[in-house]
Amino acid sequence: GESVGLHLPTLSVQEGDNSIINCAYSNSASDYFIWYKQESGKGPQFIIDIRSNMDKRQGQRVTVLLNKTVKHLSLQIAATQPGDSAVYFCAETSPARNQAGTALIFGKGTTLSVSS
Amino acid sequence: GAVVSQHPSRVICKSGTSVKIECRSLDFQATTMFWYRQFPKQSLMLMATSNEGSKATYEQGVEKDKFLINHASLTLSTLTVTSAHPEDSSFYICSAKPGTGLYNSPLHFGNGTRLTVT
Repeated sequence: GESVGLHLPTLSVQEGDNSIINCAYSNSASDYFIWYKQESGKGPQFIIDIRSNMDKRQGQRVTVLLNKTVKHLSLQIAATQPGDSAVYFCAETSPARNQAGTALIFGKGTTLSVSS
Repeated sequence: GAVVSQHPSRVICKSGTSVKIECRSLDFQATTMFWYRQFPKQSLMLMATSNEGSKATYEQGVEKDKFLINHASLTLSTLTVTSAHPEDSSFYICSAKPGTGLYNSPLHFGNGTRLTVT
């Protein structure tokens, strides 16, 4: 599968490969993280989230890994399909940001292109 | 569940006119909604936090007199772009989460409004 060590704006993979999308965050106080998928002309769609008391969480075909030491987040997609082609964003928030409801701060996106 | 609806999906207006964008939570109540702006091939930038029954909180650099936000009910927030100019052309996206907001729960997003100012 394809692996990206640092954030890259684009990632191209073959159908069936595993994809790894990376994200770095800067706020050490952030303790909640989400990955979103955004298709062209649409709003972001929730994929998976993770709280800072965990370092790994798995969903259906997706896994999120959190490394708080280096402030790094990754999204792994197993058996990537053409329908996975989209822009992927990581987002973070912290309890200090505001009380009632907390806005997410988005990282730079990665465009995943899956060819069959 | 947790559907956020945004209207209109596209709007074209002339420079100097105002445009209103609606954001509704269809199956839940949202004390707080958030407005984001996204330029082509860029990330989402938070513009403001919309609070039901009180004034919105704007991010640094966002003109509150230009981007008027009204959160009239627990299911509706509106963003009005006043005296729009071509540089205001962008993709505007609203978001919300059910309840009074445990901060560590996901936001749900509308499908955005593509604003083009000619």
